[in-house]
Amino acid sequence: ILNVEQSPQSLHVQEGDSTNFTCSFPSSNFYALHWYRWETAKSPEALFVMTLNGDEKKKGRISATLNTKEGYSYLYIKGSQPEDSATYLCAFMSRGGADGLTFGKGTHLIIQP
Amino acid sequence: EAQVTQNPRYLITVTGKKLTVTCSQNMNHEYMSWYRQDPGLGLRQIYYSMNVEVTDKGDVPEGYKVSRKEKRNFPLILESPSPNQTSLYFCASSPLPGQSSLDGYTFGSGTRLTVV
Repeated sequence: ILNVEQSPQSLHVQEGDSTNFTCSFPSSNFYALHWYRWETAKSPEALFVMTLNGDEKKKGRISATLNTKEGYSYLYIKGSQPEDSATYLCAFMSRGGADGLTFGKGTHLIIQP
Repeated sequence: EAQVTQNPRYLITVTGKKLTVTCSQNMNHEYMSWYRQDPGLGLRQIYYSMNVEVTDKGDVPEGYKVSRKEKRNFPLILESPSPNQTSLYFCASSPLPGQSSLDGYTFGSGTRLTVV
């Protein structure tokens, strides 16, 4: 079983502040790294799919970077808003994707007004 | 609307009574999979399928069966449910990896199963 670690486990951030959190994954057999946003009582929604070392992706105030050589990815949220409150999941895909995604346990983000 | 439809949303059943959770997608995706979500453990893959009649075990397949007779449907079968299968279940689909590296998984709305 592949080891995908996310930190911190939970995070309280003041509205308007920027924040970031980490996903670490095996640096061998890398194929893709996914980020998902999961709001309470809903299902996870894809944010980014990253495949190349050095990739940077952005969607509005949220961005992500990828380092496949050292096995980590950062997710950044600029100017946090209450609607950013959610659990953010990263997921690692190896071996050409044949085994599907292995998920981390997530970072639970709470934005305080 | 492109979606993955899971049914039922909630289910309470008794130990040993066979049940099926249905999953259907309308995006012509080849790849489908089942995950369970338990507190402190994250999403863990139960079974996955890369095409019709092709299924493989994930990380926690014990006590589950699946079938993929049609591309759109991927039901999860619990032949003899036990209390340790009480969990939140998600079905997901995607294009095959490599066909579209930009697409993430599309998840169903989840099935909360309680086995008493």
